[in-house]
Amino acid sequence: NAGVTQTPKFQVLKTGQSMTLQCAQDMNHEYMSWYRQDPGMGLRLIHYSVGAGITDQGEVPNGYNVSRSTTEDFPLRLLSAAPSQTSVYFCASSYRTSPSGANVLTFGAGSRLTVL
Amino acid sequence: KNEVEQSPQNLTAQEGEFITINCSYSVGISALHWLQQHPGGGIVSLFMLSSGKKKHGRLIATINIQEKHSSLHITASHPRDSAVYICAAQGGSEKLVFGKGMKLTVNP
Repeated sequence: NAGVTQTPKFQVLKTGQSMTLQCAQDMNHEYMSWYRQDPGMGLRLIHYSVGAGITDQGEVPNGYNVSRSTTEDFPLRLLSAAPSQTSVYFCASSYRTSPSGANVLTFGAGSRLTVL
Repeated sequence: KNEVEQSPQNLTAQEGEFITINCSYSVGISALHWLQQHPGGGIVSLFMLSSGKKKHGRLIATINIQEKHSSLHITASHPRDSAVYICAAQGGSEKLVFGKGMKLTVNP
């Protein structure tokens, strides 16, 4: 049981390049999400998914694309990287304790992205 | 004004001290999460609570729904408790609103 696996851990891009951050979980969690963490700011939600085939935008979705073709995988795509996307990215998966209950969260180890 | 506010932003303590980290929120919640982020960067869920109090080892989390306030207490603090502690409010959906975190340093 690996939990949430994020790759790569580090990446340096040039402005305009594209890349995909991979996120995979083996806990059969329905809910997956991507966050970015910047100095002096809390984690901010980029995109999330409540199940395979369903995605939605979070607080800061511009410049990012996601898809959820399987329960396990939730990749985050940067189509044309910009220096403002330099950040640490976290993927998380979760399940609800009950239909109206809270989510139990598991985070990936994070991916540090630098855009030059 | 942020929906989730944490105080203090930084705290330095001596080993053995009792530590309290505060979190206030302005949104209605179904749960309040406490997370720990070590210098290596990984984020671990410590507690998830919607009422009352929870305890795990030397960590105690409390929440007052009426006052929209939660506290995380660390008893007999140790240098390995040095980390950033983050609270996050969960409303009716799966979305979370995060505080900026509080950096705790425990000196030996």
